[in-house]
Amino acid sequence: KAGVTQTPRYLIKTRGQQVTLSCSPISGHRSVSWYQQTPGQGLQFLFEYFSETQRNKGNFPGRFSGRQFSNSRSEMNVSTLELGDSALYLCASSPGPTRTDTQYFGPGTRLTVL
Amino acid sequence: DQQVKQNSPSLSVQEGRISILNCDYTNSMFDYFLWYKKYPAEGPTFLISISSIKDKNEDGRFTVFLNKSAKHLSLHIVPSQPGDSAVYFCAASDRGSTLGRLYFGRGTQLTVWP
Repeated sequence: KAGVTQTPRYLIKTRGQQVTLSCSPISGHRSVSWYQQTPGQGLQFLFEYFSETQRNKGNFPGRFSGRQFSNSRSEMNVSTLELGDSALYLCASSPGPTRTDTQYFGPGTRLTVL
Repeated sequence: DQQVKQNSPSLSVQEGRISILNCDYTNSMFDYFLWYKKYPAEGPTFLISISSIKDKNEDGRFTVFLNKSAKHLSLHIVPSQPGDSAVYFCAASDRGSTLGRLYFGRGTQLTVWP
């Protein structure tokens, strides 16, 4: 089985712009979670989707949003980018909906905001 | 507020010896714990997990110990190999949470030298 794929792998944007990141889960997985990794904060939970519905949201401003499509692929969007949004954005998929299902991570998208 | 803490940012161990990585948590609602390994430019890879109904779980060279009263878990790697050099993240799941939100520590960089 192919693993979790994320596109693009690297992205450079300037302050004020918006960005959309994409995640394709492992085939058959219906749950997708997003995490932000920064050197200072480690991995922070952004949100989780299951069957096209957001089931859980972390403590991030409304500039961060996401969605999931009927094929379980997910996108996250960050509007009005700030310098502090520079981070590695990781997507993880699991079969769902069991809480203890193992989450499998993609390689991440490295976002740099100038 | 960091609910999962890995107080050692780095650990250096000689090949063949035991590596012990530690993790503390503060939330008594956490009942499922995981360890992930991360190489540079890759996403975290699941290693091993443990439920709070157990105090030990083994998988090959990896053993996780859970001390609920101390809110402490540890990952033992025996024997350590140079390929184990990576960042190790401890993560926890909250029994009151829906689906798969994970709380991560900030990671410990393990270096195994020949």
